[in-house]
Amino acid sequence: DTGVSQDPRHKITKRGQNVTFRCDPISEHNRLYWYRQTLGQGPEFLTYFQNEAQLEKSRLLSDRFSAERPKGSFSTLEIQRTEQGDSAMYLCASSPGPVGIYEQFFGPGTRLTVL
Amino acid sequence: QKEVEQDPGPLSVPEGAIVSLNCTYSNSAFQYFMWYRQYSRKGPELLMYTYSSGNKEDGRFTAQVDKSSKYISLFIRDSQPSDSATYLCAIYGNNRLAFGKGNQVVVIP
Repeated sequence: DTGVSQDPRHKITKRGQNVTFRCDPISEHNRLYWYRQTLGQGPEFLTYFQNEAQLEKSRLLSDRFSAERPKGSFSTLEIQRTEQGDSAMYLCASSPGPVGIYEQFFGPGTRLTVL
Repeated sequence: QKEVEQDPGPLSVPEGAIVSLNCTYSNSAFQYFMWYRQYSRKGPELLMYTYSSGNKEDGRFTAQVDKSSKYISLFIRDSQPSDSATYLCAIYGNNRLAFGKGNQVVVIP
């Protein structure tokens, strides 16, 4: 079963360091999404791609965050100059398009801890 | 006002009981209503979704949407210890999902 995969699963870093996460969506899914989830909260939307185009970014995505999906397949999310408030689970999801575009399948997440 | 409100209180039930979960939402334009299940330290897993108003049943799970009152519900019949997880309601609109805070459900054997 080739579901959504994310790497790494856990990342511990010191404040001020840069980190990069990778997401591999389900094969042939056109849309890829990034969400952030903090303890006791539901996931919050960060950004999404339609193929390689980044079509929307949430106001939660400060200028320290950048996401790419260079060839419309895998995606990376980079956080520069990490802050303790960035500690969260970063979730990636993908969905087929156009039919079933609302069915988002999530990966296992990358848990980030900023010390 | 948040797009989706879900009272995040934990819920403990004995095995075999019916679990009832609900959410309210604010944007009447949304048409797709989802329920996700999330085990500890895992990603959310899509349980089922409903389009517009009505009921949808899948085994022991029933999802209901009442668009007139902007109310969505999930019922789990004959609950099992393996159903112990956090259940998140979500609505799809504007190219993204908006989630509630989730309910942690514990089914006691």
